[in-house]
Amino acid sequence: AQSVTQLGSHVSVSEGALVLLRCNYSSSVPPYLFWYVQYPNQGLQLLLKYTTGATLVKGINGFEAEFKKSETSFHLTKPSAHMSDAAEYFCAVRTGNQFYFGTGTSLTVIP
Amino acid sequence: GAVVSQHPSWVICKSGTSVKIECRSLDFQATTMFWYRQFPKQSLMLMATSNEGSKATYEQGVEKDKFLINHASLTLSTLTVTSAHPEDSSFYICSARDIQVENTEAFFGQGTRLTVV
Repeated sequence: AQSVTQLGSHVSVSEGALVLLRCNYSSSVPPYLFWYVQYPNQGLQLLLKYTTGATLVKGINGFEAEFKKSETSFHLTKPSAHMSDAAEYFCAVRTGNQFYFGTGTSLTVIP
Repeated sequence: GAVVSQHPSWVICKSGTSVKIECRSLDFQATTMFWYRQFPKQSLMLMATSNEGSKATYEQGVEKDKFLINHASLTLSTLTVTSAHPEDSSFYICSARDIQVENTEAFFGQGTRLTVV
């Protein structure tokens, strides 16, 4: 069975500070990994994804994530937080045709 | 990226009535569509997976007769909440994939906020 764990349901950072959202997964097969962002009353928008190849993946809005197989992690980072980054973030694993989502992390950016 | 359009974005209905939500893939063939339900401040709960031209596969605990899913074409899937009750009020989100394309992510609709009064 696949599972996704996001440590910290709420993260607060100051504007301009480093953003780090944690994601660990369990998968019996090499996973496809994703980070999605959700703004209030909207669907999910893809930030970035890892499928194969380079383990450091760059996404939109300055976000990036690194796939670490030994740690079964896919943490999301951004060097400098912006007010517009305040949203809900979901990590997901896809195996086969099925997506498994983490419980989400709400990011608050403090001016 | 590919676009999935979900309609309506919000709906208010009376208890006992039925509501239909549409999910369309605008620029790709969605061989598989997923319907999710999301409660406030929670993650997405997969309700069912629908493949074009076949019956939907429902997750355990989801009532098939209450949440009717139709995926009659490669670009359209519908979710009908039948005899809606206040406890059905939620945010419903669809997503779609073209499984013929490897390494692709799921593309999400904008979501539908259903309020049953």
